[in-house]
Amino acid sequence: EVQLVESGGVVVQPGGSLRLSCAASGFTFDDYTMHWVRQAPGKGLEWVSLISWDGGSTYYADSVKGRFTISRDNSKNSLYLQMNSLRTEDTALYYCAKGSSVVPAAPIDYWGQGTLVTVSS
Amino acid sequence: DIVMTQTPLSLSVTPGQPASISCKSSQSLLHSDGKTYLYWYLQKPGQSPQLLIYEVSNRFSGVPDRFSGSGSGTDFTLKISRVEAEDVGVYYCMQSIQLPYSFGQGTKLEIK
Repeated sequence: EVQLVESGGVVVQPGGSLRLSCAASGFTFDDYTMHWVRQAPGKGLEWVSLISWDGGSTYYADSVKGRFTISRDNSKNSLYLQMNSLRTEDTALYYCAKGSSVVPAAPIDYWGQGTLVTVSS
Repeated sequence: DIVMTQTPLSLSVTPGQPASISCKSSQSLLHSDGKTYLYWYLQKPGQSPQLLIYEVSNRFSGVPDRFSGSGSGTDFTLKISRVEAEDVGVYYCMQSIQLPYSFGQGTKLEIK
């Protein structure tokens, strides 16, 4: 059974930093592209970032480019999102999500339960 | 960036009746590899999204056959042949032909 468990969400002040983690199990982690997707309270889904199976390629939404960094540790079956220069508009539930293949464009087929990041003074 | 536009934004359906959601993209989602990178997700109340349909019309594992997808190019439709109570939630279309990937605004399905 695929499991994705996010952690690290807290309340942080504007301008602050945070690192989210995602522990993956139930599949061969380094065979798949991984994503972060977020959902602001009461709003829709926003794709944030993806990382290739080997970590060699990363992509970001314009809204987070230059502030967020996605990474992975295949030896630990873990995905990360380093979030710097946080803004109030970054407040959201952050989902770790698994791509369905090594191909970046393949659909997201499993999602974690999310971790809540609140940016507020 | 590709903009995904869903209509309607909400619909209320009697159990057993059909439902249809439209998704239009600002650019064609047909790739040179022959695939169309359009997906449908359902987010049930209080839950994470779940994949329903991939590449326009393929049902994901375990998805009931009352769900079907169709369309091409820039115009796509998700149909539920007979709505059941468990189908309530918000439906999203998503494209992954071009970065940044993008979702539609979501369509909220309620039961009458």
